[in-house]
Amino acid sequence: TQLLEQSPQFLSIQEGENLTVYCNSSSVFSSLQWYRQEPGEGPVLLVTVVTGGEVKKLKRLTFQFGDARKDSSLHITAAQPGDTGLYLCAGAPSGGSNYKLTFGKGTLLTVNP
Amino acid sequence: NAGVTQTPKFQVLKTGQSMTLQCAQDMNHNSMYWYRQDPGMGLRLIYYSASEGTTDKGEVPNGYNVSRLNKREFSLRLESAAPSQTSVYFCASKQGPSFSQHFGDGTRLSIL
Repeated sequence: TQLLEQSPQFLSIQEGENLTVYCNSSSVFSSLQWYRQEPGEGPVLLVTVVTGGEVKKLKRLTFQFGDARKDSSLHITAAQPGDTGLYLCAGAPSGGSNYKLTFGKGTLLTVNP
Repeated sequence: NAGVTQTPKFQVLKTGQSMTLQCAQDMNHNSMYWYRQDPGMGLRLIYYSASEGTTDKGEVPNGYNVSRLNKREFSLRLESAAPSQTSVYFCASKQGPSFSQHFGDGTRLSIL
């Protein structure tokens, strides 16, 4: 079983601050996805990274896939209350079935106004 | 534009009762999934169906059965509910191996 460790588990910050969430594994993934989940709803895809070292930007969110494709980070610049939610990383195993994703346990972010 | 629809949204059961959770998607996706989400545990895969006519076990299949009724529908059945199955259940679908998953809004199930 390939595990994804997310840190921190909880994060509470003030509006305007920057933050980084980490997703780490000892296993290699062919791709890695980040989802955001709001209370009472299902997770919604933010981004997919595929290539080692890849960096993708989505407005104030920057996603990076590690060179060895074992880890990823999500950086939010100037966080806003609307960024509040549970952030989940999910990886497709390298050399395994791409039908199944392994999910991390999530980072619960609260941005206070 | 419904996407993935789960019914019911909430349910309370007594220990030993049976229940079927329904999931339907209108995106013509090939693959469908059932997850459970518990506090501090993230999303854990119960069963999945890579394509119509196939089903496979995920990480936590014990106590559950599934049916891929057709391309649109994938149901999850609890034959004899136990308190340990109290959770939020999510259904998801995707077009194929290289695509992202689309999730429903979940079924909140409590077993007393």
